[in-house]
Amino acid sequence: AQKITQTQPGMFVQEKEAVTLDCTYDTSDQSYGLFWYKQPSSGEMIFLIYQGSYDEQNATEGRYSLNFQKARKSANLVISASQLGDSAMYFCAIGGSQGNLIFGKGTKLSVKP
Amino acid sequence: NAGVTQTPKFRVLKTGQSMTLLCAQDMNHEYMYWYRQDPGMGLRLIHYSVGEGTTAKGEVPDGYNVSRLKKQNFLLGLESAAPSQTSVYFCASSDLGVPSYEQYFGPGTRLTVT
Repeated sequence: AQKITQTQPGMFVQEKEAVTLDCTYDTSDQSYGLFWYKQPSSGEMIFLIYQGSYDEQNATEGRYSLNFQKARKSANLVISASQLGDSAMYFCAIGGSQGNLIFGKGTKLSVKP
Repeated sequence: NAGVTQTPKFRVLKTGQSMTLLCAQDMNHEYMYWYRQDPGMGLRLIHYSVGEGTTAKGEVPDGYNVSRLKKQNFLLGLESAAPSQTSVYFCASSDLGVPSYEQYFGPGTRLTVT
């Protein structure tokens, strides 16, 4: 069974600085996908970035990058140049065996001006 | 192109009442999902469907039923609501399911059972 662990319930970062949100996973599958979603206070789930297990390069999407370390089973999200609008809950997820996503408990990021 | 829509956005039920949540997607996706999100938790899978006319149980299916009579719609029913079903419900759809396909989420339905 797949599992996601996010060990940081809350994080603070100064505006314009970079921040890393931790995510470790457990799976017995050889092929899998890792996802990060953002959930602002308004409640919607916003897709940020995806990393496939066979992708050799770390995924990047604008200010978001995924630091994928397969041997350590970690998929940390790096946000560069934080903005006030980045304040939100961030969820790491892994593809499940039923075509679904299995989520961690999330990290609440607060960006300070 | 509306993506994934959910009806209603908010609902308050009394214990024992029934209701149906509607999810609609206009992307012609095969896979559809219902999740629930409780405070301090990530989303958990209730039921899912891999195509029109098919449904299957997820991680937390008890107390819920689903139907997918049309490809674009996925209905979640609560036959006899309980306070433990107070939650935010998200519908999602994807083209072929993970591991490599992004799931598109609806805006959520906030349900309170008193």
